Amino acid sequence: EAGVTQFPSHSVIEKGQTVTLRCDPISGHDNLYWYRRVMGKEIKFLLHFVKESKQDESGMPNNRFLAERTGGTYSTLKVQPAELEDSGVYFCASSQERGGLNILSGNEQFFGPGTRLTVL
Amino acid sequence: GNSVTQMEGPVTLSEEAFLTINCTYTATGYPSLFWYVQYPGEGLQLLLKATKADDKGSNKGFEATYRKETTSFHLEKGSVQVSDSAVYFCALMKWGKLIFGQGTELSVKP
Repeated sequence: EAGVTQFPSHSVIEKGQTVTLRCDPISGHDNLYWYRRVMGKEIKFLLHFVKESKQDESGMPNNRFLAERTGGTYSTLKVQPAELEDSGVYFCASSQERGGLNILSGNEQFFGPGTRLTVL
Repeated sequence: GNSVTQMEGPVTLSEEAFLTINCTYTATGYPSLFWYVQYPGEGLQLLLKATKADDKGSNKGFEATYRKETTSFHLEKGSVQVSDSAVYFCALMKWGKLIFGQGTELSVKP
């Protein structure tokens, strides 16, 4: 079974440019999460999709970030325009539970390798 | 609010040394607790987990016990190997999302 994949592995852009990160979850996983680790600090939650719907986007830092999951399969995270403080590693994760069960169970989230974003 | 605090790194040990990485949490209720590991060049992998008080998670020689009275989930290994060199993250799950500590980098020297 293929794991969670992310593309690109590394992106270097200039301040003000746009970048789109992609995540392909494990096939059949309804839940998809985005997290971010900035400058060696803690990994922070950004948002959670259940299929194509945003379940929780409380961690999105501002309106320069737009996440989509059309068709409930892969997801994209667009940063427009990028700022210096957006640099970091963006992780995607997926899990299998359906509906609201995952908020109570401790089931595993499977992580991708991350995309390292550098904004110059 | 909900938060996780873990000991700062980097931690440098010699092979076969005993490892402890401290982790404490603040949360309402009884969240599930996790240790994730990130090996160089790889993504996060679940190392172990515990879902209720007094549970002990274990994997690959690592152990952690869910201590409700001290709100702790310290990671231990009796004899580390060079291959254990990685960044270790303690986390709790609340309402489906993981809340992580800042990570502890471990370097094991031969």
